[in-house]
Amino acid sequence: SQTIHQWPATLVQPVGSPLSLECTVEGTSNPNLYWYRQAAGRGLQLLFYSVGIGQISSEVPQNLSASRPQDRQFILSSKKLLLSDSGFYLCAWTSGNEQFFGPGTRLTVL
Amino acid sequence: AQSVAQPEDQVNVAEGNPLTVKCTYSVSGNPYLFWYVQYPNRGLQFLLKYITGDNLVKGSYGFEAEFNKSQTSFHLKKPSALVSDSALYFCAVRALSSGSARQLTFGSGTQLTVLP
Repeated sequence: SQTIHQWPATLVQPVGSPLSLECTVEGTSNPNLYWYRQAAGRGLQLLFYSVGIGQISSEVPQNLSASRPQDRQFILSSKKLLLSDSGFYLCAWTSGNEQFFGPGTRLTVL
Repeated sequence: AQSVAQPEDQVNVAEGNPLTVKCTYSVSGNPYLFWYVQYPNRGLQFLLKYITGDNLVKGSYGFEAEFNKSQTSFHLKKPSALVSDSALYFCAVRALSSGSARQLTFGSGTQLTVLP
Protein backbone atom coordinates (compact mmCIF):
# COMPACT_ATOMS: atom_id res chain seq x y z
CA SER A 1 0.00 0.00 0.00
CA GLN A 2 1.01 3.58 -0.49
CA THR A 3 2.18 5.77 2.38
CA ILE A 4 3.37 9.33 2.65
CA HIS A 5 5.85 10.62 5.18
CA GLN A 6 6.66 14.13 6.30
CA TRP A 7 9.37 15.34 8.62
CA PRO A 8 9.91 16.91 10.90
CA ALA A 9 6.52 16.75 12.61
CA THR A 10 7.08 20.06 14.38
CA LEU A 11 9.64 22.79 13.92
CA VAL A 12 10.37 26.08 15.66
CA GLN A 13 12.66 28.41 13.77
CA PRO A 14 13.77 32.04 14.22
CA VAL A 15 12.95 34.69 11.66
CA GLY A 16 15.58 34.81 8.94
CA SER A 17 16.68 31.21 9.31
CA PRO A 18 16.54 28.67 6.45
CA LEU A 19 13.91 25.96 6.10
CA SER A 20 13.81 22.49 4.65
CA LEU A 21 10.74 20.27 4.93
CA GLU A 22 10.77 16.84 3.36
CA CYS A 23 8.03 14.65 1.98
CA THR A 24 8.44 11.14 0.63
CA VAL A 25 5.94 8.74 -0.86
CA GLU A 26 6.19 4.96 -0.82
CA GLY A 27 4.41 2.32 -2.85
CA THR A 28 3.82 4.27 -6.03
CA SER A 29 5.78 5.67 -8.94
CA ASN A 30 5.60 8.97 -10.79
CA PRO A 31 3.02 10.52 -8.47
CA ASN A 32 1.79 14.08 -8.73
CA LEU A 33 2.98 15.78 -5.56
CA TYR A 34 1.66 18.86 -3.77
CA TRP A 35 2.60 21.24 -0.97
CA TYR A 36 -0.22 23.02 0.89
CA ARG A 37 -0.14 25.47 3.75
CA GLN A 38 -2.93 25.66 6.28
CA ALA A 39 -3.01 28.79 8.41
CA ALA A 40 -5.01 29.09 11.64
CA GLY A 41 -6.47 25.58 11.27
CA ARG A 42 -8.59 26.51 8.31
CA GLY A 43 -8.45 26.60 4.55
CA LEU A 44 -5.79 24.98 2.45
CA GLN A 45 -3.58 27.09 0.22
CA LEU A 46 -1.87 25.24 -2.60
CA LEU A 47 1.77 26.35 -2.73
CA PHE A 48 3.46 24.07 -5.27
CA TYR A 49 2.77 21.01 -7.32
CA SER A 50 4.98 18.70 -9.33
CA VAL A 51 4.21 16.22 -12.08
CA GLY A 52 7.72 14.77 -12.26
CA ILE A 53 11.37 15.04 -11.28
CA GLY A 54 12.59 18.60 -11.56
CA GLN A 55 9.15 19.88 -12.61
CA ILE A 56 7.72 22.42 -10.19
CA SER A 57 4.75 24.74 -10.60
CA SER A 58 4.25 27.58 -8.16
CA GLU A 59 0.76 28.69 -7.30
CA VAL A 60 1.53 31.60 -5.00
CA PRO A 61 4.50 33.97 -5.17
CA GLN A 62 6.38 34.03 -1.87
CA ASN A 63 9.74 33.40 -0.28
CA LEU A 64 9.29 29.63 -0.38
CA SER A 65 10.58 27.25 -3.04
CA ALA A 66 10.11 23.59 -3.83
CA SER A 67 12.26 20.93 -5.42
CA ARG A 68 11.79 17.35 -6.54
CA PRO A 69 15.20 15.71 -6.71
CA GLN A 70 13.78 12.17 -6.88
CA ASP A 71 10.55 10.66 -8.15
CA ARG A 72 9.05 10.18 -4.70
CA GLN A 73 10.69 13.05 -2.83
CA PHE A 74 9.35 16.59 -2.58
CA ILE A 75 11.13 19.29 -0.58
CA LEU A 76 9.88 22.67 0.58
CA SER A 77 12.56 25.26 1.31
CA SER A 78 13.20 28.82 2.25
CA LYS A 79 16.42 30.81 2.49
CA LYS A 80 15.03 33.23 5.10
CA LEU A 81 11.86 32.56 7.03
CA LEU A 82 9.29 35.24 7.78
CA LEU A 83 6.85 35.35 10.68
CA SER A 84 4.04 34.89 8.17
CA ASP A 85 5.49 31.52 7.14
CA SER A 86 4.16 29.97 10.34
CA GLY A 87 1.51 27.36 9.70
CA PHE A 88 0.74 23.73 9.13
CA TYR A 89 2.35 22.36 5.97
CA LEU A 90 0.79 19.41 4.24
CA CYS A 91 2.23 17.26 1.49
CA ALA A 92 -0.12 15.29 -0.74
CA TRP A 93 0.00 12.95 -3.70
CA THR A 94 -2.57 11.96 -6.26
CA SER A 95 -3.74 8.51 -7.18
CA GLY A 96 -6.34 8.63 -9.91
CA ASN A 97 -8.99 11.06 -8.77
CA GLU A 98 -8.10 11.24 -5.09
CA GLN A 99 -5.50 13.12 -3.11
CA PHE A 100 -3.87 11.54 -0.11
CA PHE A 101 -2.27 13.66 2.55
CA GLY A 102 0.73 13.29 4.79
CA PRO A 103 0.60 13.87 8.55
CA GLY A 104 1.80 17.47 8.23
CA THR A 105 4.55 19.65 9.72
CA ARG A 106 3.71 22.34 12.26
CA LEU A 107 6.10 25.27 11.64
CA THR A 108 6.36 28.11 14.12
CA VAL A 109 8.53 31.08 13.20
CA LEU A 110 9.52 33.25 16.15
CA ALA B 1 -12.36 28.27 -12.80
CA GLN B 2 -13.68 25.94 -10.16
CA SER B 3 -14.71 26.87 -6.62
CA VAL B 4 -16.22 25.41 -3.48
CA ALA B 5 -18.28 27.12 -0.81
CA GLN B 6 -18.83 25.83 2.69
CA PRO B 7 -21.24 28.43 4.07
CA GLU B 8 -20.95 27.43 7.72
CA ASP B 9 -17.72 27.93 9.64
CA GLN B 10 -19.13 26.04 12.61
CA VAL B 11 -21.82 23.39 13.03
CA ASN B 12 -22.91 22.18 16.47
CA VAL B 13 -25.08 19.12 16.94
CA ALA B 14 -26.08 16.95 19.89
CA GLU B 15 -24.81 13.41 20.04
CA GLY B 16 -27.30 11.00 18.48
CA ASN B 17 -28.89 13.66 16.29
CA PRO B 18 -28.47 13.74 12.52
CA LEU B 19 -25.84 16.07 11.13
CA THR B 20 -25.44 17.94 7.86
CA VAL B 21 -22.38 19.85 6.65
CA LYS B 22 -23.14 21.92 3.59
CA CYS B 23 -21.14 22.30 0.40
CA THR B 24 -21.88 23.94 -2.93
CA TYR B 25 -19.58 24.00 -5.91
CA SER B 26 -18.95 25.66 -9.24
CA VAL B 27 -17.13 23.89 -12.05
CA SER B 28 -17.17 23.71 -15.83
CA GLY B 29 -18.75 20.47 -16.90
CA ASN B 30 -19.28 17.47 -14.67
CA PRO B 31 -17.63 17.44 -11.26
CA TYR B 32 -15.65 15.07 -9.15
CA LEU B 33 -16.59 15.82 -5.52
CA PHE B 34 -14.85 14.83 -2.31
CA TRP B 35 -15.14 15.13 1.44
CA TYR B 36 -12.14 15.05 3.75
CA VAL B 37 -11.91 15.15 7.55
CA GLN B 38 -9.09 16.63 9.61
CA TYR B 39 -8.45 15.97 13.28
CA PRO B 40 -6.28 18.43 15.26
CA ASN B 41 -2.67 18.56 14.10
CA ARG B 42 -3.25 15.80 11.57
CA GLY B 43 -3.35 15.54 7.81
CA LEU B 44 -6.59 15.31 5.88
CA GLN B 45 -8.28 11.92 5.67
CA PHE B 46 -10.41 10.92 2.70
CA LEU B 47 -14.07 10.24 3.59
CA LEU B 48 -15.93 9.75 0.33
CA LYS B 49 -16.21 10.80 -3.27
CA TYR B 50 -18.73 11.23 -6.05
CA ILE B 51 -17.59 10.50 -9.58
CA THR B 52 -20.67 9.22 -11.36
CA GLY B 53 -23.68 6.97 -10.75
CA ASP B 54 -25.91 6.97 -7.69
CA ASN B 55 -26.38 10.44 -6.24
CA LEU B 56 -26.14 9.11 -2.69
CA VAL B 57 -22.59 8.17 -1.84
CA LYS B 58 -21.63 6.22 1.25
CA GLY B 59 -18.25 6.63 2.85
CA SER B 60 -16.17 5.95 5.92
CA TYR B 61 -17.39 6.09 9.54
CA GLY B 62 -21.08 6.05 8.58
CA PHE B 63 -20.96 9.28 6.58
CA GLU B 64 -22.79 9.78 3.33
CA ALA B 65 -23.22 12.63 0.88
CA GLU B 66 -25.86 13.49 -1.65
CA PHE B 67 -24.97 14.93 -5.03
CA ASN B 68 -27.58 17.38 -6.32
CA LYS B 69 -26.72 18.60 -9.79
CA SER B 70 -29.52 21.15 -10.07
CA GLN B 71 -28.50 22.80 -6.80
CA THR B 72 -24.77 22.20 -7.39
CA SER B 73 -24.53 20.83 -3.88
CA PHE B 74 -22.79 17.93 -2.18
CA HIS B 75 -23.86 18.01 1.46
CA LEU B 76 -22.28 15.64 3.96
CA LYS B 77 -24.66 13.78 6.27
CA LYS B 78 -24.73 11.25 9.06
CA PRO B 79 -27.91 9.85 10.64
CA SER B 80 -26.59 9.78 14.20
CA ALA B 81 -23.64 11.94 15.28
CA LEU B 82 -20.92 10.77 17.65
CA VAL B 83 -18.71 12.93 19.87
CA SER B 84 -15.74 11.42 18.02
CA ASP B 85 -17.04 12.95 14.76
CA SER B 86 -15.97 16.37 16.05
CA ALA B 87 -13.39 17.60 13.55
CA LEU B 88 -12.77 19.96 10.63
CA TYR B 89 -14.46 18.91 7.39
CA PHE B 90 -13.42 19.95 3.90
CA CYS B 91 -15.32 19.68 0.65
CA ALA B 92 -13.33 19.60 -2.60
CA VAL B 93 -14.07 19.61 -6.33
CA ARG B 94 -12.35 19.11 -9.62
CA ALA B 95 -13.70 19.13 -13.13
CA LEU B 96 -14.24 15.74 -14.75
CA SER B 97 -12.58 17.04 -17.87
CA SER B 98 -9.63 18.55 -16.03
CA GLY B 99 -6.31 17.24 -17.21
CA SER B 100 -4.38 19.61 -14.99
CA ALA B 101 -2.25 18.28 -12.20
CA ARG B 102 -3.57 21.16 -10.13
CA GLN B 103 -6.72 19.12 -9.63
CA LEU B 104 -8.62 19.72 -6.41
CA THR B 105 -10.05 22.99 -5.12
CA PHE B 106 -10.91 22.91 -1.43
CA GLY B 107 -13.54 24.76 0.55
CA SER B 108 -12.63 26.80 3.61
CA GLY B 109 -13.66 24.06 6.02
CA THR B 110 -16.46 23.57 8.54
CA GLN B 111 -15.73 22.84 12.19
CA LEU B 112 -18.16 20.20 13.42
CA THR B 113 -18.69 19.93 17.17
CA VAL B 114 -20.80 17.10 18.53
CA LEU B 115 -21.98 17.82 22.05
CA PRO B 116 -22.42 14.95 24.52
